[in-house]
This record gives sequence, structure tokens and C-alpha cells, in this order.
Amino acid sequence: DAKTTQPNSMESNEEEPVHLPCNHSTISGTDYIHWYRQLPSQGPEYVIHGLTSNVNNRMASLAIAEDRKSSTLILHRATLRDAAVYYCILRGYGGATNKLIFGTGTLLAVQP
Amino acid sequence: DGGITQSPKYLFRKEGQNVTLSCEQNLNHDAMYWYRQDPGQGLRLIYYSQIVNDFQKGDIAEGYSVSREKKESFPLTVTSAQKNPTAFYLCASGESSGRNNEQFFGPGTRLTVL
Repeated sequence: DAKTTQPNSMESNEEEPVHLPCNHSTISGTDYIHWYRQLPSQGPEYVIHGLTSNVNNRMASLAIAEDRKSSTLILHRATLRDAAVYYCILRGYGGATNKLIFGTGTLLAVQP
Repeated sequence: DGGITQSPKYLFRKEGQNVTLSCEQNLNHDAMYWYRQDPGQGLRLIYYSQIVNDFQKGDIAEGYSVSREKKESFPLTVTSAQKNPTAFYLCASGESSGRNNEQFFGPGTRLTVL
């Protein structure tokens, strides 16, 4: 499975945009880029995913580099409830297991 | 409401005892998964099941067992053979195929071995 690299931690101020980077230089052409986040003592929740084009949903935006070797999760206005660990995951072609390979993620702290 | 439930939220067991963690979903998903999370770490896959009466080992299956007799249920048994069972256990479900489908996670069970 292709690996991702994320900063261990980041800080943001409330109501400011947050850009969470992810490097995935060994990504294959069929890998989707998924983002999940985990609030303290809870299960992870899906945030967004994409393949080549930038994606937007109600939670966030995903900007994917043209060479697909990196991507950025964008929270447009951080709130205190966005404080969580954010995981960038590549889901590749490998049968129908649909399993997710989690790294250690980025711990986002949001200051009031 | 549709979702995944896990019980209990906190579980304590004595060393040498087997214990079973419950996971139920009403999302009509074919696939279900068990993950383990240790402090400061990401999740690691224990077992997964793509369809009723079938399941596969994940990356850290030793000391664990599962069953999938019903589509809605995927219980995990932590046996006495698991050397370090204290951890946060998470169950998830999702569609059984496709690289762009999301997984839905339960609230987790925190197991402590005394």
C-alpha cells in the first residue's frame, strides 16, 4: 500500500482557514485520496475523497496537485469543533477489501 | 436513525479471560471491520468481513476471533492469547467493494486488562 506523510501537529485560530498537507509521492494512478478525522475518544468520521480533480463538500475542500503526489485538505473557517486528528489515506486497487490504512495523522489544535 | 453501535463503551477484564465486544449496524452494509487503536497511534485492522459467513484476517489478527452469522452483527472476541489487549477497539462498516466508498465507524469500546 502506498504511504502518506503528514505533519504531526498544526495550530490554527478559530474562524481562519486551515490547510492540512499530505505527501504521497508513491501514489499509483488508481489510488483514491481519502481524508478522515477523529475527535478525542470517538471513532473516525469520513471527511472527503478525490482522485484527480479538486473536490468540495459541506465539510471541507480537497486540493490535489497536478502530479497527484500531494494534496491539501482545506477547512475554510476553523471552529473549535474541528480540533481533531486528521488522517490522509490512499485507497488503492487491491480487490474488494475496502480496508483503510491509517498513519498517525495530523493533530489539529484550534485556538479561540 | 441508521448507524453503528458498539457495546459496552468501557470494559474491564482480568488477565487470562476471554471477552466479546459487540458491533451492530443497521446501514445494510455488506462489509464490516474491526480496528485496534493504541495511544497516539493510527488504527490497525484486526479482521474484516465482506459478506455473511465469511471473514478474513487483517494485519494483527493473532489473539482475536470473529463471527459473522448475521449481516447486522460482527462480534469480536479478545482471547487470552492476545498478549497486550488493552486498547481502544473500533468497528466500522461500508460497501463491500469500491475504492471510493466511505467507512462508517462506531463510537468504540475501550478495553482495559487489569
